[in-house]
Amino acid sequence: AQKVTQAQTEISVVEKEDVTLDCVYETRDTTYYLFWYKQPPSGELVFLIRRNSFDEQNEISGRYSWNFQKSTSSFNFTITASQVVDSAVYFCALSEAANFGNEKLTFGTGTRLTIIP
Amino acid sequence: DADVTQTPRNRITKTGKRIMLECSQTKGHDRMYWYRQDPGLGLRLIYYSFDVKDINKGEISDGYSVSRQAQAKFSLSLESAIPNQTALYFCATSETGTTDNEQFFGPGTRLTVL
Repeated sequence: AQKVTQAQTEISVVEKEDVTLDCVYETRDTTYYLFWYKQPPSGELVFLIRRNSFDEQNEISGRYSWNFQKSTSSFNFTITASQVVDSAVYFCALSEAANFGNEKLTFGTGTRLTIIP
Repeated sequence: DADVTQTPRNRITKTGKRIMLECSQTKGHDRMYWYRQDPGLGLRLIYYSFDVKDINKGEISDGYSVSRQAQAKFSLSLESAIPNQTALYFCATSETGTTDNEQFFGPGTRLTVL
């Protein structure tokens, strides 16, 4: 069975500091997909990134970067030079390959990030 | 306009009442999902549907039922609401034929059962 662990329940950092959110996953599939979503205080879920299991290249998008390491089953998310607008709950999620009847998304419990001005 | 909409956005009800949450989508996706979010527990799957004639239980289906009235509409019902069903509910859709199961979420419905 697939599982996603976000061990950091809450993190607080001072504005402009860098912060890394950890995500560790478990799956028996060799083909799978990993996601990060942001949930700001308004409550909606905002898609941030998707990564498939065959692509271990790290990705950078502005102040956001993602480090995917299959060897440690981790897909960590780093925010550089954090801003108050980054304050939100962040979810990591896993989807195993779209075999019939198995296309479910499993979420971690989320990390609440607070950026202190 | 939003691709996935949920009504109502907020609802307060009393124990024992029947409640229906509605989800509509204009994305043309076959697959639809209902999740609930509780503090510290993330999102958990209640029910999902891969097409109009297909309904499947998720991780926490007890106390809930669903109806897929059309490709674009997927409703979640609480037959007799109880306080521990107080949560934030999300509807989501995804496209058949993709391999990554990227899901698109509605804005959420905040339900409070007194």
